Order: sequence, then structure tokens, then C-alpha cells
Amino acid sequence: EIVMTQSPATLSVSPGERATLSCRASQSVSSNLAWYQQKPGQAPRLLIYGASTRATGIPARFSGSGSGTEFTLTISSLQSEDFAVYYCQQYNNWPPEYTFGQGTKLEIK
Amino acid sequence: EVQLVQSGAEVKKPGESLKISCKGSGYSFTSYWIGWVRQMPGKGLEWMGIIYPGDSDTRYSPSFQGQVTISADKSISTAYLQWSSLKASDTAMYYCARHGISRYFDYWGQGTLVTVSS
Repeated sequence: EIVMTQSPATLSVSPGERATLSCRASQSVSSNLAWYQQKPGQAPRLLIYGASTRATGIPARFSGSGSGTEFTLTISSLQSEDFAVYYCQQYNNWPPEYTFGQGTKLEIK
Repeated sequence: EVQLVQSGAEVKKPGESLKISCKGSGYSFTSYWIGWVRQMPGKGLEWMGIIYPGDSDTRYSPSFQGQVTISADKSISTAYLQWSSLKASDTAMYYCARHGISRYFDYWGQGTLVTVSS
């Protein structure tokens, strides 16, 4: 099983500042990596797929980078609505063994 | 508009059976996989398995193989997740989500909360 490790577990950032979230895979997943945002009481929402492609309707302040085993989600200028939990997910293998990271909680500083 | 609408919250006793549903609309239901994802209280996301309604090809996470059954009825554009004998540890929110050939989950249902308690 590919283990996804996110860091930090909690990130405190002020509105308007940049946030950088990390995700590491235990083995290469190429660019088969997605990022999701989950707010309290809501379902997850797709932000990024293919490691760096923004999903439909996602603001340009969200960007993803990386390949292989190291990935980053950057939010360039935090808005109040961005404070949430963020998960990475790999979907590299077939037959599927999709795995999620444990999440990073982005909180207001 | 693509929508996945899940059945309502359930409260069950240990040992009871349960089947929850996920109805797709706004797209060709038989052309996309439907996956199920568990979220235990206060915890992260866990992939359980997927089904391709076009031919009912079903794949399970090793962690959930034998614990649940995933099925679909393409005539009514609905996927299902079922348990034959619930345990307290099955208490969680369960989400269905769609993925295409690229295998990321692009649309999600609103979630079904399952509570198992004696």
C-alpha cells in the first residue's frame, strides 16, 4: 500500500498570507495526485488533479506542484473561506489502491 | 449539472443489516466509476471501493474487502453500499464520489451518516 503523509498536521496562517501544504508518498505516484478541501459539515471538494491542474471553478490562488513522491499545495493569499482541512490522494495504481493523506488543518492565526 | 444524492442518515443496532444509496444524475451514469469513502468521527478519508455501473466491475480496498458489498442498478442510476452485520465501529459518515478514466474523484455526494449503537 502506498502511504501518503501530509505535513504539517495543523498550519496557522493569517488571512492574506501564503500557505504551503506538503504531501509525501511512500513510493512514486508519478503525477497521479489530487488535493481536496473539506469544510466542517461538508463533503470534500476537488481542488487539484494531476498534481497541478486546477479543477473547474477553483480560484487561481490555489496551485499544486510536484511529481514522484513530493507534492505541494500552495494558497497564495488566504481568504477567510480557505480555512478548512486539506487532503491529498494518490490514484496511481491499477487495480486501484487509492490512499489519502491524513489531512492538514489550515486554521486562522 | 452533475449530482450525486445520497440516502438519509441511519441509526442501527449492532448485528443489523443496512444498504445505503447514491443516485447519480446529470451525466452518463454507466460511463463513470462510483467510489465509496468512509470518514469516521473526527478522522480522515478512507477509500473503500469502487464500481463501474456499466458492467458492475467492482474493486475493493483490502481493508474493506469482505466487510461491505458495493453494487449498482444502472436502470435507476444508483449505487449502493451495504453491510450484512453492522458493528459499532462502522459508525461514520460515508460519501460516494464519481471518477472517470483519470481516477480522481471530481464530484461527491453529500454524505450519509451511519450510527451503530445498542
